[in-house]
Amino acid sequence: AQRVTQPEKLLSVFKGAPVELKCNYSYSGSPELFWYVQYSRQRLQLLLRHISRESIKGFTADLNKGETSFHLKKPFAQEEDSAMYYCALRKFSGGYNKLIFGAGTRLAVHP
Amino acid sequence: SAVISQKPSRDICQRGTSLTIQCQVDSQVTMMFWYRQQPGQSLTLIATANQGSEATYESGFVIDKFPISRPNLTFSTLTVSNMSPEDSSIYLCSVESGSQYFGPGTRLLVL
Repeated sequence: AQRVTQPEKLLSVFKGAPVELKCNYSYSGSPELFWYVQYSRQRLQLLLRHISRESIKGFTADLNKGETSFHLKKPFAQEEDSAMYYCALRKFSGGYNKLIFGAGTRLAVHP
Repeated sequence: SAVISQKPSRDICQRGTSLTIQCQVDSQVTMMFWYRQQPGQSLTLIATANQGSEATYESGFVIDKFPISRPNLTFSTLTVSNMSPEDSSIYLCSVESGSQYFGPGTRLLVL
């Protein structure tokens, strides 16, 4: 079965420290993975997707098919990075794409 | 990207009543999605709405409880019928335009 696992409910770091939010997936096909972020009192928004291989707000994520992982990383955390982060897998089923979300990790960056 | 609005933004309802949530997009889209986010949990797909056809429901969700309309390419409604306190959630509309984009959500409390 397709599944996205985010093992940490809460990740607490100090400003300037490196951050890694873990995401593992199970999917039989070729996966397409995303990171979404939800800042306080704001809507869920796309942060990045693996096919773009981009860096957004200093965050990067590399798809590791061997380890079935798509961890989100940032070398130096900022206080404004505090938010809820969701990893998501897009799968094609029944004629359309749909997203399967992980449980989410709350990142708290302290001054 | 797409700009999505939802009405109402929040509501408090009595058990046994129904609430219709509206979703408006600023561009024409083929697929619209409805998600539920229960307190402290991740997003779960309720159904996918394609204009001109009946919505496709995910396991655990049925049309009698969550009827959906999709009258045109920019608008959809989700009705939460015969509500109970277990229906207290945030309901989100989403569209696919390259990636998936989300509305601000409707926060529903059922007493």
